Amino acid sequence: QQPVQSPQAVILREGEDAVINCSSSKALYSVHWYRQKHGEAPVFLMILLKGGEQKGHDKISASFNEKKQQSSLYLTASQLSYSGTYFCGTEKLGAQKLVFGQGTRLTINP
Amino acid sequence: DTEVTQTPKHLVMGMTNKKSLKCEQHMGHRAMYWYKQKAKKPPELMFVYSYEKLSINESVPSRFSPECPNSSLLNLHLHALQPEDSALYLCASSHQGQAGNQPQHFGDGTRLSIL
Repeated sequence: QQPVQSPQAVILREGEDAVINCSSSKALYSVHWYRQKHGEAPVFLMILLKGGEQKGHDKISASFNEKKQQSSLYLTASQLSYSGTYFCGTEKLGAQKLVFGQGTRLTINP
Repeated sequence: DTEVTQTPKHLVMGMTNKKSLKCEQHMGHRAMYWYKQKAKKPPELMFVYSYEKLSINESVPSRFSPECPNSSLLNLHLHALQPEDSALYLCASSHQGQAGNQPQHFGDGTRLSIL
């Protein structure tokens, strides 16, 4: 079953923060986050495996609340290069396949 | 540039044609994937190969025929496609590990148009 992302679209000015949420009605084993720019391949950002786990690199971080079956992606002090569509991909234990959310389009303006 | 190479980048074909999409990776990954992506939609899984064997087929019509000749190559053979099959076809690969804990590396895709 497809996870639900919110919001569907965000428009920010450079330097502002954003949060993208990903929720599932099914018990999750892992959550992946990818960013895809127009006309390009999706690029891996991070994987979260444990309930309550948080990961991050640079100014992009994420959390995974296993009890709520929800993950959030945090973009701090956004840069122009952060523009693109962000997808979460969820995987149930044993499924060995990702199901992607519908995506969140992030636009960063100067 | 991505480490997963897909050819061709663009393909236009008629409904009676036979063509193949190719995907190559040299990262030692033993899991390879085909996804279909329509405009403004997420990638949808089509097939998964694990150690060169087909492990998942997401009820894809038989006009799409995957093949994994070796651990570095993945093909998608196309025959008698329909206009609704026009889409971006993405190949991805990952290390074979515990389910869900391996990042997938995507190619730039083949943009397919069916006339």
